[in-house]
Amino acid sequence: GAVVSQHPSWVICKSGTSVKIECRSLDFQATTMFWYRQFPKQSLMLMATSNEGSKATYEQGVEKDKFLINHASLTLSTLTVTSAHPEDSSFYICSARGHEFYEQYFGPGTRLTVT
Amino acid sequence: AQKVTQAQTEISVVEKEDVTLDCVYETRDTTYYLFWYKQPPSGELVFLIRRNSFDEQNEISGRYSWNFQKSTSSFNFTITASQVVDSAVYFCALTDRTGANNLFFGTGTRLTVIP
Repeated sequence: GAVVSQHPSWVICKSGTSVKIECRSLDFQATTMFWYRQFPKQSLMLMATSNEGSKATYEQGVEKDKFLINHASLTLSTLTVTSAHPEDSSFYICSARGHEFYEQYFGPGTRLTVT
Repeated sequence: AQKVTQAQTEISVVEKEDVTLDCVYETRDTTYYLFWYKQPPSGELVFLIRRNSFDEQNEISGRYSWNFQKSTSSFNFTITASQVVDSAVYFCALTDRTGANNLFFGTGTRLTVIP
């Protein structure tokens, strides 16, 4: 149980375009979803936390207008990278937590390359 | 402030050797949770263990064992009789007293098991 999927698994886009990444909890209701970013050979850094039906809470230094997060249902959260630039190229990982357990279960990640 | 330190950036061992990955943490909370995750080359984070601050019993799961020492703020991870499939980056992480909020990750230790 506790499976989280992400789509797409990888994406290449041109500078200036927007990219949407989906995170879904497949077999549980995710009351909270987290979005992390991981640069090559580095650790995961939390970008934002979102609770279903409310606005996301962004970590310091993360531009909320650039990284739009929507958590419209208990099984889906989306991250939209707006006007992407090469420096946004990274590995984006979501995780989800249900109200009945404490662990965060992670999606497989989305590798974004902006050319 | 919460902080996780994994001083070992990279470790290489020969198959069947034992290896210990170190994790030292800092927190002001008296109740907290510690985690270990495995990130294989595919990128997906795999949950290994969760331990709360009141449970100092060491845990063994197959070839994996964990040594939690509150006195030294350490939560070390040992793999016995390592196998090539153990090659991955291992992250130690810490969260606050609820165990449900954002995880603070260490920088990870890249383990390479040589056949």
